Parts: sequence; C-alpha cells; structure tokens
Amino acid sequence: DGGITQSPKYLFRKEGQNVTLSCEQNLNHDAMYWYRQDPGQGLRLIYYSQIVNDFQKGDIAEGYSVSREKKESFPLTVTSAQKNPTAFYLCATQGGGTEAFFGQGTRLTVV
Amino acid sequence: AQSVTQPDIHITVSEGASLELRCNYSYGATPYLFWYVQSPGQGLQLLLKYFSGDTLVQGIKGFEAEFKRSQSSFNLRKPSVHWSDAAEYFCAVGPSSNTGGFKTIFGAGTRLFVKA
Repeated sequence: DGGITQSPKYLFRKEGQNVTLSCEQNLNHDAMYWYRQDPGQGLRLIYYSQIVNDFQKGDIAEGYSVSREKKESFPLTVTSAQKNPTAFYLCATQGGGTEAFFGQGTRLTVV
Repeated sequence: AQSVTQPDIHITVSEGASLELRCNYSYGATPYLFWYVQSPGQGLQLLLKYFSGDTLVQGIKGFEAEFKRSQSSFNLRKPSVHWSDAAEYFCAVGPSSNTGGFKTIFGAGTRLFVKA
C-alpha cells in the first residue's frame, strides 16, 4: 500500500538519552515534514525537507535533528537537549497537490 | 502575521444535529485552504480542500466547507452528525508563497464531541 509509515508507535526515553523516530514513505513525494503535537496546541513544525540532502528548521527545531539521505526516509532524532520531549510526533509528506499526507504518529514518553 | 484561528476549542452536538466548525485565516491573498480530521492517537486525514473556483467545496464523509473571502473564513459544515464524527478537526492554510513556500499553517484544532 502507498503511504507513510512511522515507527515505533510508542517510544519511551530515559532522561539524557537520544532517540530516533523513523518515517518512511513510498508516495514518491519530495517534501517531508516533522510536527510535534501537544494537547491544545495544534501542530508545530520541527523540521522540513524539500529535497534529498537538504532540510530547514521549523518553528521549534531546538533539541531535534534530522537527516534526508534518501527520498523515502526522513528520521527525526530527539536529543538530550530537548528538555520536554514527551509529545505526539507526526511525519507528513506533500505532493504536487499541496495537501499533506500524514503517518500514524509516534507517541514519545520520558520515563 | 500569518495565522489560522479556530475560535472553538471544543464543541458538543447531538447525534443527528447539524454541525458548523469555524475557521478564520489572516493572509494577504487567497490561500490554499484545508480541513483535516484526527481520531485519537492517529494521524491527520484530509477532509476537503479549496484552491479556487466554486466557494462551496464537498469533501469526504458528508462534510462541506464554504470559503468567504469577505470574512476570511472557511467554515466546515455537516448537515447531520454521526457518533463516528467525534474527533479533532484542524483548519489549515498553505503551502504557498505567503506561508514560506512549503509550510502549511495549522489552527489549534476543535475537538468535536457527539452525544447520543
């Protein structure tokens, strides 16, 4: 099936650990995005990438890092510098029609 | 500043009643407009979109939205709500040159509760 796969669905992080969230797509879309969602705050843009080997910071990039080595993949690393990482993380792509296509999300919890 | 406002944090309607969710945007030109729906613990799904032309657009699941340029609004409507419509709804704008080319701006969302 065509779509966006995020893994894992649930992730637990200890204080001081880096963790990486996976996002894979087979829609052949150039643009990919990472959003953070907290209750009552909607979606906030962390990073986005318009093309392979290029990415830009979004509104809340501090404490996060990304890479875009392949068109299909856009992993997000939540570093120990992110002091409040507990949230729901959504990966999205954008095709020529400009609407966004979303994965099912990863819920990250600090333990 | 560019923004999308959804004035209602949550709305409760009875099953079978009509629904209207409000959305206002602030942009210099007519943007691309979207409504998305999110069930708990899931990603967002596109309900409908407006780019140009007819200001009343039809979407999936019986939803429609009307673009009103004079009011900078793009309200979502459904004539008869079903219990399965309970979810969170997001209005969004972009991407376009007004949003930085590749960014979509999302409203804060409206959570819909449906009572029997």
